[in-house]
Amino acid sequence: EVQLEESGGGLVQPGGSLRLSCAASGFNFSHYSMNWVRQAPGKGLEWLSYISSTSNVIYYANSVKGRFTMSRDNAKNSLYLQMNNLRAEDTAVYYCARQGGAYFGSAYYYHGMDVWGQGTTVTVSS
Amino acid sequence: DIQMTQSPSFLSASVGDKVTITCRASQDIFNYLAWYQQKPGKVPKLLMYSVSTLQPGVPSRFSGSRSGTDFTLTISRLQPEDFATYYCQNYYNSPRTFGLGTKVEIK
Repeated sequence: EVQLEESGGGLVQPGGSLRLSCAASGFNFSHYSMNWVRQAPGKGLEWLSYISSTSNVIYYANSVKGRFTMSRDNAKNSLYLQMNNLRAEDTAVYYCARQGGAYFGSAYYYHGMDVWGQGTTVTVSS
Repeated sequence: DIQMTQSPSFLSASVGDKVTITCRASQDIFNYLAWYQQKPGKVPKLLMYSVSTLQPGVPSRFSGSRSGTDFTLTISRLQPEDFATYYCQNYYNSPRTFGLGTKVEIK
């Protein structure tokens, strides 16, 4: 079964740090780009970060650029989000999500985010 | 940065109604547009990508279209299980912005 499982969430004080992990199983993790998405309580989805399959391309939302660092370890089928200088507005459920895609002939076409984890909750509060 | 303007933010409809949700990109994102459905307390689910390609298992009453930078999600005959919040998302480039969402509620 294709699965993503986040871990590492919790309660942290403003200015603190947290490292989220996402364990992938049931598919060839090293072939897929990945994303982090969060959802604050009662709010919509906010895309945070994207990493290509080989880590050569990494994008960040402006809201987290310079504070969050996304990385992956394909040998461990794992994705990470290092979050520093956390603020109250970072309180949210954090999801990792696979960027779907497929080859059509020799070209690779990206799809949407087709596999999501259950999320891990981060609360930033004193 | 690309902005995704989704409308309406709230929609009240009855079972059997045709429902249309729109999303406008602030610049050309070609066909790199996806739609997601999220029910309360649940994980978002990919409905369709590349404007109009349905994910496997998504009912054919869902359809998508594009006119320039305007994108539309249509539900032809609303079913009870379709009451949810829907989000569009640009995945052409960064930032891969979501729309603010459209909550579809029962009239």
